[in-house]
Amino acid sequence: QPVLTQPPSSSASPGESARLTCTLPSDINVGSYNIYWYQQKPGSPPRYLLYYYSDSDKGQGSGVPSRFSGSKDASANTGILLISGLQSEDEADYYCMIWPSNAWVFGGGTKLTVL
Amino acid sequence: QVQLQESGPGLVKPSQTLSLTCTVSGGSISSGDYYWSWIRQPPGKGLEWIGYIYYSGSTYYNPSLKSRVTISVDTSKNQFSLKLSSVTAADTAVYYCARAPATGDIDYWGQGTLVTVSS
Repeated sequence: QPVLTQPPSSSASPGESARLTCTLPSDINVGSYNIYWYQQKPGSPPRYLLYYYSDSDKGQGSGVPSRFSGSKDASANTGILLISGLQSEDEADYYCMIWPSNAWVFGGGTKLTVL
Repeated sequence: QVQLQESGPGLVKPSQTLSLTCTVSGGSISSGDYYWSWIRQPPGKGLEWIGYIYYSGSTYYNPSLKSRVTISVDTSKNQFSLKLSSVTAADTAVYYCARAPATGDIDYWGQGTLVTVSS
């Protein structure tokens, strides 16, 4: 199974933006996959945030604020979760996921700290 | 509102088989285009997909666990189950059951159940 690489940690201040990345291995083209993003807070199951394929093919989870958005950087073969207007409640672990060939693959997760 | 609830032993001995059941309420497990899945999370670590069963009955497993995993469904009880054989301490984790439509977004999760492998 492929390995999705996420930085172990990231931090930003309230009101700022956080850019979380999910890098695919070089033999898998980020342009070919939906990138799904999940948020997990301590003691709770993950919560679906959104998926991003392209600007014309994307979706937001139920009740997820529009300040959570997705994008891709094809040159870096990376999926991106952008959280704007950070709030203290956004402090959590964030996981990316892809769905190649009848298998789900998760990234290792990024712990976002809101300073 | 769909709800999923995991149940099963919280302690399993090494080399034995871990067995968990997920009871689905608020919707029929046999209706609709859904993937019924098991995902686990070792303490302090990330998520690992174990496998899923499609509403048609087809099963797909993580290649790294495939030789030890069986996922089955009991439509009469609106449940699906996980069996993981020959467990070791490395299988200690919170086990989640979850549902995803064909669009791939995992929209409903159980609360998770901690299974510890220890003698």
